[in-house]
Parts: sequence; C-alpha cells; structure tokens
Amino acid sequence: DTAVSQTPKYLVTQMGNDKSIKCEQNLGHDTMYWYKQDSKKFLKIMFSYNNKELIINETVPNRFSPKSPDKAHLNLHINSLELGDSAVYFCASSPYRSGAGNQPQHFGDGTRLSIL
Amino acid sequence: TQLLEQSPQFLSIQEGENLTVYCNSSSVFSSLQWYRQEPGEGPVLLVTVVTGGEVKKLKRLTFQFGDARKDSSLHITAAQTGDTGLYLCAGVQGFQKLVFGTGTRLLVSP
Repeated sequence: DTAVSQTPKYLVTQMGNDKSIKCEQNLGHDTMYWYKQDSKKFLKIMFSYNNKELIINETVPNRFSPKSPDKAHLNLHINSLELGDSAVYFCASSPYRSGAGNQPQHFGDGTRLSIL
Repeated sequence: TQLLEQSPQFLSIQEGENLTVYCNSSSVFSSLQWYRQEPGEGPVLLVTVVTGGEVKKLKRLTFQFGDARKDSSLHITAAQTGDTGLYLCAGVQGFQKLVFGTGTRLLVSP
C-alpha cells in the first residue's frame, strides 16, 4: 500500500492555466507538507499543515493555494501557471510529537509539472 | 534563507571504494537528517542526528553531527552499486521545518 500518494504523476499544461495536485496519506500522520524540487534537485519547503491548520507558509507566490480538507489530504492549487513553475512537487507527511520537531518525513513520488 | 552546502556535488566511484559527503552551514540546527532519493521517487529518510558530536551507523553508512551542530558528514565504506542516488542533508528548524542541502549525486559503478 502506498503511504503517501500524489496525483497526477505527470502534468503538462500551457502557461496561464490553473491546475491542482492532490495528495493523500494513509499513515495516520497529523502533519503534511508541499515541497518544490527544481531542475538542480534543490528541494524547498512551500507549505505545511498540522491537523488541517497552516503552520508553515514560505515565500511562495499567492498563485499557489494549499487546501487541507482533512488531516489525511493536502491539495495544491496553482493559478495562472508560469514557465518558472515547472518543477517536481513533492507531498510529504510526518507524525506529530509534542516538543519533538524532527520527526521523519515520508515523501510521495512527486508530480512532474511542465509548463509549455 | 539559510543554506546547507553539500560537497561534492557529484561523485563517481567504483564499487568497493570509500567516500565521504559533507554538509555545511553557518547556522545551528536543532537536529539534522539525511535522506536518499532515487530517480522518479521521493526522498527516503536514512538517519536523524540530534546531539552535537553524535555518530550513528547504519550498516556501511556512518553519519556524524558536528560538535557545534552546524555541519554533518556521511561516510560510506565499500560502496555498492545499490548506494547510487542523490543524498540530501536537511537541517531541522523550529517545528518540523526542513532546510535541505544542495545535494550530492553519487554514482557507484561495478
């Protein structure tokens, strides 16, 4: 069983379009994340939710909007896609332990977004 | 933005050789994690080091956290082709926020 699953795996679309990526985890974790990995393989945190509440919001254009309908799901909607949005987007989840901020993060296999 | 610099960026070696990957920062982290990522997949956690000076071993992999908690190293003994991948260090800031390193791509040839 896949622990953290993202859909779609590949997304090719035109500049200016709006698209969504979905993420689901079946690990029972309270915290979920979105990361962006660029062409140089640099991985950067975008957002983090703990039990549906936004706790990390890095400097990300407001065209990106995360939504967490429940603690097992964290979706990412992107408006007005730009060429620079081309990247691999990873969803991750981790357990919550009070006072222990270094819990292991479990990553999905990524969504490869290509903007034409 | 705090940066974790890894060196080397790329390493190509023969099976059986030893290697060390370094992860350096000017910032202090509460703990540090190492991940390995294979093509088409997400990173997978290898280890978490918490205490300055801590050394952890995972079979042929040895991880060390610097005394000042600003740097770390990963040493692989007798590398195997299965060790091939992208190695990422990640410093932990605050509540579960990971700052990833620049990555080291390792290729082990038979």
